[in-house]
Amino acid sequence: EAGVVQSPRYKIIEKKQPVAFWCNPISGHNTLYWYRQNLGQGPELLIRYENEEAVDDSQLPKDRFSAERLKGVDSTLKIQPAELGDSAVYLCASSLRGPGHEKLFFGSGTQLSVL
Amino acid sequence: AQTVTQSQPEMSVQEAETVTLSCTYDTSESDYYLFWYKQPPSRQMILVIRQEAYKQQNATENRFSVNFQKAAKSFSLKISDSQLGDAAMYFCAYRSKQGGSEKLVFGKGTKLTVNP
Repeated sequence: EAGVVQSPRYKIIEKKQPVAFWCNPISGHNTLYWYRQNLGQGPELLIRYENEEAVDDSQLPKDRFSAERLKGVDSTLKIQPAELGDSAVYLCASSLRGPGHEKLFFGSGTQLSVL
Repeated sequence: AQTVTQSQPEMSVQEAETVTLSCTYDTSESDYYLFWYKQPPSRQMILVIRQEAYKQQNATENRFSVNFQKAAKSFSLKISDSQLGDAAMYFCAYRSKQGGSEKLVFGKGTKLTVNP
């Protein structure tokens, strides 16, 4: 079974440029998460999807960040314009929903460097 | 809001020895999940062990075991017979069982070094 796939693995951009990250969750997983992990910190949730609906986006900086999950499968996270403080690792995770499905499966993340 | 605290930024252990990583958390809920995740340089978070709060028995997975003290809100990870491949960042995480709160809240992590 394929795991959570993220691309690109690394991205270097100049500040004020746009950037996008892509995530393909495990087949059949209806819950998808985007986390941001700053250097030396634990991951923090940006947004959670149940199928195609964003059900928790309280930590997403909506002035510059946007996300979508078309057809409840793949997801894209976008930053426009990027700022120096956005440099971090962006992790995608997926899971099934309901009792007994508390385990999250993570991708390898995208490491973003904003210069 | 729930918080997770890992007070040991770095730990080291000799190969084949035992090491314990500490974690405390704060919550007003009575039932929840606790996890330890391992993050090697590849960045992928790998589940090491999980515990349901209502289960009094401590979880065990091969060389990994936890000491879950619910009243003290403590959840430490013990790694026995440490191996070089155990070297990584270890994150303690909390997950609510309440509907609508199915997110993991992570601590800041502990970097484990295994010396040969």
